[in-house]
Amino acid sequence: EAGVAQSPRYKIIEKRQSVAFWCNPISGHATLYWYQQILGQGPKLLIQFQNNGVVDDSQLPKDRFSAERLKGVDSTLKIQPAKLEDSAVYLCAIRRDRNYEQYFGPGTRLTVT
Amino acid sequence: GIQVEQSPPDLILQEGANSTLRCNFSDSVNNLQWFHQNPWGQLINLFYIPSGTKQNGRLSATTVATERYSLLYISSSQTTDSGVYFCAVGANTGGFKTIFGAGTRLFVKA
Repeated sequence: EAGVAQSPRYKIIEKRQSVAFWCNPISGHATLYWYQQILGQGPKLLIQFQNNGVVDDSQLPKDRFSAERLKGVDSTLKIQPAKLEDSAVYLCAIRRDRNYEQYFGPGTRLTVT
Repeated sequence: GIQVEQSPPDLILQEGANSTLRCNFSDSVNNLQWFHQNPWGQLINLFYIPSGTKQNGRLSATTVATERYSLLYISSSQTTDSGVYFCAVGANTGGFKTIFGAGTRLFVKA
């Protein structure tokens, strides 16, 4: 069973501050995703990595969000500077190599005040 | 892009009742998953079901890809079934993007 660890689990910051989230898949998977889930909505894909490369970042607000994947394993998502509307849960997911099934980490709940 | 609609948006059941959740999608898809998001926010995989029928205990799912819908059946519901159920689809058109529906919020009363 694929496992995905995320840290921190909770973060509270003031608007205009910076914040970073980490995703650590327990076992190697080629495809990694970051999603944003605003309260009451379904997750929205922000960025998809295939190994170290970006496959899709069309919904990533690139003026303030950035993401990277190191050595095709761990990944970080950064927001700089944060806005009030960035308050959400940020979910990391990996995909099994043999099909398109995705497995999610527990998420990081961000509150921007 | 692909549109995903889930119904009903909210559902309240008495423990022991059965229910059917529906997911409609607007275009052909290559994959479809059902998830349960528990009250702690964890998304739990229920089914990977781009087509056909699968069963796992009290849950089963059917996807009719040619008619662009999927159904999730919950039988003999329990309070632990409470939470939000999401359908997520993906397709090769315009890049392989995964789109989630807005979810069905289920509350099972004891």
